[in-house]
Amino acid sequence: GAVVSQHPSRVICKSGTSVKIECRSLDFQATTMFWYRQFPKKSLMLMATSNEGSKATYEQGVEKDKFLINHASLTLSTLTVTSAHPEDSSFYICSAKMAEKLYEQYFGPGTRLTVT
Amino acid sequence: GQSLEQPSEVTAVEGAIVQINCTYQTSGFYGLSWYQQHDGGAPTFLSYNALDGLEETGRFSSFLSRSDSYGYLLLQELQMKDSASYFCAVSEGDTGFQKLVFGTGTRLLVSP
Repeated sequence: GAVVSQHPSRVICKSGTSVKIECRSLDFQATTMFWYRQFPKKSLMLMATSNEGSKATYEQGVEKDKFLINHASLTLSTLTVTSAHPEDSSFYICSAKMAEKLYEQYFGPGTRLTVT
Repeated sequence: GQSLEQPSEVTAVEGAIVQINCTYQTSGFYGLSWYQQHDGGAPTFLSYNALDGLEETGRFSSFLSRSDSYGYLLLQELQMKDSASYFCAVSEGDTGFQKLVFGTGTRLLVSP
């Protein structure tokens, strides 16, 4: 149980275009979902926290107009990278929490974004 | 500021015991978690300590000392499949909206 999926797993896009990444909790309802960014061999950097039906809370230094987060339901959150640039190339990982386990997060397999 | 420091790399042989340390300095603290991540994969939860002391889960144990802002992950009877990156993470934030702040990560290499 507690499976989180992400789609797509890999995406290549051109500079200036937008890319949408989906994160789904497949077998549980996620009270909260999180979006992280990870550079090669580096730690996970929290970008934002989102709760169903409310606006996402962004971490300091993360541009909310560039990284649009929508938490449409208790099983789906999307991250849209708008007007992508090469420096946005990274590994984006989502995670989800359920109400019963406040301290544990379930991570998706990640999305490798390459902006050319 | 917030910081969670871990050794960057640890090497060990199969069957050995290894300890990965984590020292933290964060604005809030609800507990310390440990996650394992294989190359290209998703982080997976290993353990959580909210109170001081040792928590044991099979071959893995985790320790916390809140007064010292310190914890460690102990891996026993190492296996090749344990080669991965290990992250400590502090839970902080308002209850119900707790977020994780991750450490710098430790790359564990297990050799035959």
